[in-house]
Parts: sequence; C-alpha cells; structure tokens
Amino acid sequence: QQQVKQSPQSLIVQKGGISIINCAYENTAFDYFPWYQQFPGKGPALLIAIRPDVSEKKEGRFTISFNKSAKQFSLHIMDSQPGDSATYFCASCYQTGANNLFFGTGTRLTVIP
Amino acid sequence: DSGVTQTPKHLITATGQRVTLRCSPRSGDLSVYWYQQSLDQGLQFLIQYYNGEERAKGNILERFSAQQFPDLHSELNLSSLELGDSALYFCASSVGAGGSHTGELFFGEGSRLTVL
Repeated sequence: QQQVKQSPQSLIVQKGGISIINCAYENTAFDYFPWYQQFPGKGPALLIAIRPDVSEKKEGRFTISFNKSAKQFSLHIMDSQPGDSATYFCASCYQTGANNLFFGTGTRLTVIP
Repeated sequence: DSGVTQTPKHLITATGQRVTLRCSPRSGDLSVYWYQQSLDQGLQFLIQYYNGEERAKGNILERFSAQQFPDLHSELNLSSLELGDSALYFCASSVGAGGSHTGELFFGEGSRLTVL
C-alpha cells in the first residue's frame, strides 16, 4: 500500500518556468514532509522539508506548500534551470517511533534549455 | 558526498544465489536504513537498525536479512534470489534513532543488483 502518492510521474518544463510536483498522504499521524532530489547515479539528498504547523516554506527557488486538511503538499521550483533536472521524491514520516521515511514514487523532471 | 559508503556498486548474479551488500554510515550516525528502489515502486523501506539493534521493519522479504555490527556498519543479505529482486539498494544513515525531529537521512550511492 502506497502511503504517499505522487504526481506527475514525469514533467518537462522550459528553462525559467515553474515546476510543480504534488503529493498526497494517507496517515494523519505523519508530521514531517521532506522532499528529496536524486541525480542519476547518486542517492537521494534532502532538498527541503516542512512540518504541518506551517503552510509554506521557502528556500531559494524551492517552495513547499502544505495543506493539512486536504492531506496534500507540493513542491514548486521557480525559475527552473537545466541543473534542476533530476528525480524528486516526496516523503512522510511519524514524529514518534522509527525515523523511516515513506516515499512517493518519484517525479522525473526535465528542464529544457 | 554524503559520507555513506556502499559496496559493491554493481553486482550481477544468478537466480537462487545469495549476495551481501555492505554499508558504512556517516561518522557519528547510529542509525542505518535499507531501501529498495525499483522503477515501478519507487523507494521502499526495508529495515532500520539503531546502534546494533533492529528498530523498524518495512516491506522486507523473509529471504532478506540484515544486521548492524558493533562498528556500526551494516550488511543486507539477500538469498534465494529471484529476477524480481533486481533493483537498486540504498543504505541511509542518520544521527538519531527515531522521531521526525531528527530530520535528515543521508543516502549512499546505492548497490545495483542484477539477477539473471
């Protein structure tokens, strides 16, 4: 059972455009929502994360929007660059207990010059 | 470089065989996690160890087992391999045992297993 659903599976954006990736989670006990970025041949690396006590978090060109009532969160990449081309994974986990993350299925982003 | 080291990077073996994947966590990290990444399933959590003890178990098959040694390195053992076990296996580490306040997981570059 996929506890975190992610869409779209792939995304092609022009350089300078906005990339938007959406995720939905099932378990209301989740309270940590990170996004990981993975380049080919590399392991995932933390990009940005949010906790449910805020509705938005921004770091540079990357913004997470969080909607607790809808159990949804999204990643917005402003002014997308070819160097942003990678696979992006959303994830969720519990505050208590193990720190294991439940990942979405990933979105392959391609930014065209 | 995340500081997490995984070996081997690539492994090709036959069905029915057994392999061992090795992971050295970042210096100072006590938790080790194993994830399986396949094209259609994304990243699936297998198991977590904290300071030598099993902490959490995910979708790990009975044919798979893992352990964490006193020096904190971990090994994932895959036996009676099937074609469907072909995947990228990632190890990750973190400082703490659990709780989202401990935050980030640091991933290695993975071990690509091909079962023929």
